[in-house]
Amino acid sequence: AQTVTQSQPEMSVQEAETVTLSCTYDTSESDYYLFWYKQPPSRQMILVIRQEAYKQQNATENRFSVNFQKAAKSFSLKISDSQLGDAAMYFCAYRITMEYGNKLVFGAGTILRVKS
Amino acid sequence: DTGVSQDPRHKITKRGQNVTFRCDPISEHNRLYWYRQTLGQGPEFLTYFQNEAQLEKSRLLSDRFSAERPKGSFSTLEIQRTEQGDSAMYLCASSGLGGIEQFFGPGTRLTVL
Repeated sequence: AQTVTQSQPEMSVQEAETVTLSCTYDTSESDYYLFWYKQPPSRQMILVIRQEAYKQQNATENRFSVNFQKAAKSFSLKISDSQLGDAAMYFCAYRITMEYGNKLVFGAGTILRVKS
Repeated sequence: DTGVSQDPRHKITKRGQNVTFRCDPISEHNRLYWYRQTLGQGPEFLTYFQNEAQLEKSRLLSDRFSAERPKGSFSTLEIQRTEQGDSAMYLCASSGLGGIEQFFGPGTRLTVL
């Protein structure tokens, strides 16, 4: 069964600094999608970045980038030039393909605190 | 352009009561998902609709839970005879048929006293 593990319950970063959130997953599939979602306090979850497993190039979205290591089944998120608005719970997720659709399997999340 | 909406945002009920939540997906999305998120945890998949057909149900969805999506538009999630263990955030998400990303609503926070 596919599982997603986030080993850092909480991380802190100084404003304008860089932080990396870790995620590992387990799968026997060769082609799949991975995501990082952000959930600010009392606000809805939004997609930060996604990675297709068949792409060797790491995805980048402005200040957010990933380090995707397929053989190691590792998918970390790097946030550069951290801002106060980045404070949130971050979830790593794996998309499972079902017979008639797909679903997401999430890790337990990492709380990111940004200090001014 | 409106995103996924959910109603109510908060619900407090007494154990044993029935509750119903509503989700309105993004209008052109024909796939709709329900997830449950307990405090300090990631969301867990409950069920999935493609148009009006419920195509997948998690083992987490006990007999007390029922979900519908009449006419393939909005969806409802009903919990009968609520228990304290049902207290959680119930999230709805939607996606297009070929879409990769799921778009989430703000959730309904249920508290069972």
